[in-house]
Amino acid sequence: KAGVTQTPRYLIKTRGQQVTLSCSPISGHRSVSWYQQTPGQGLQFLFEYFSETQRNKGNFPGRFSGRQFSNSRSEMNVSTLELGDSALYLCASSLGTMPTNEQFFGPGTRLTVL
Amino acid sequence: ELKVEQNPLFLSMQEGKNYTIYCNYSTTSDRLYWYRQDPGKSLESLFVLLSNGAVKQEGRLMASLDTKARLSTLHITAAVHDLSATYFCAVDMKGLNNDMRFGAGTRLTVKP
Repeated sequence: KAGVTQTPRYLIKTRGQQVTLSCSPISGHRSVSWYQQTPGQGLQFLFEYFSETQRNKGNFPGRFSGRQFSNSRSEMNVSTLELGDSALYLCASSLGTMPTNEQFFGPGTRLTVL
Repeated sequence: ELKVEQNPLFLSMQEGKNYTIYCNYSTTSDRLYWYRQDPGKSLESLFVLLSNGAVKQEGRLMASLDTKARLSTLHITAAVHDLSATYFCAVDMKGLNNDMRFGAGTRLTVKP
């Protein structure tokens, strides 16, 4: 069974640009969650999507948005990039909604903002 | 605000020894997760603890949850080098923004 895939794996952008990251969950999983990991702030929850609807949202500005498609694939968009957005972005999929379902993480997208 | 505190943050231990990592949290929750992360890698789910008194074991690792004390422990038995990694606990904030909060992580190094 294929795991969670994320594309691209590495990305370099400049301040002010926008970026879209993609996550394909494990087949059959309907929930996708996104996380940001930085050395300073650690791991922080961004949002969760289930059946194309945002179910939960962490404490991030509106520049961070996401969506989920009918095939459960999810995209995360960050607009007007700031230097502080440089991070490893992880997505995780699960059969049902968090928190009762075990999450499986993808390899992450490392975003560098110059 | 929910705080999740792990200790120790750094742990260096000899192979064959036992040790416990602690995860304290500051609000009511009955769901807690443990993850492992190897350097440069993603997170691997270790345990999902869904009720007070839950105890789960996998190999040399055992996790428990005491929701009354707001405490979870990850116990390492007879450590081996392969257990070297960073371990995170995460607490479900259901009812408070419905998100998950992670501890800062415990970087474990097991020396021969």
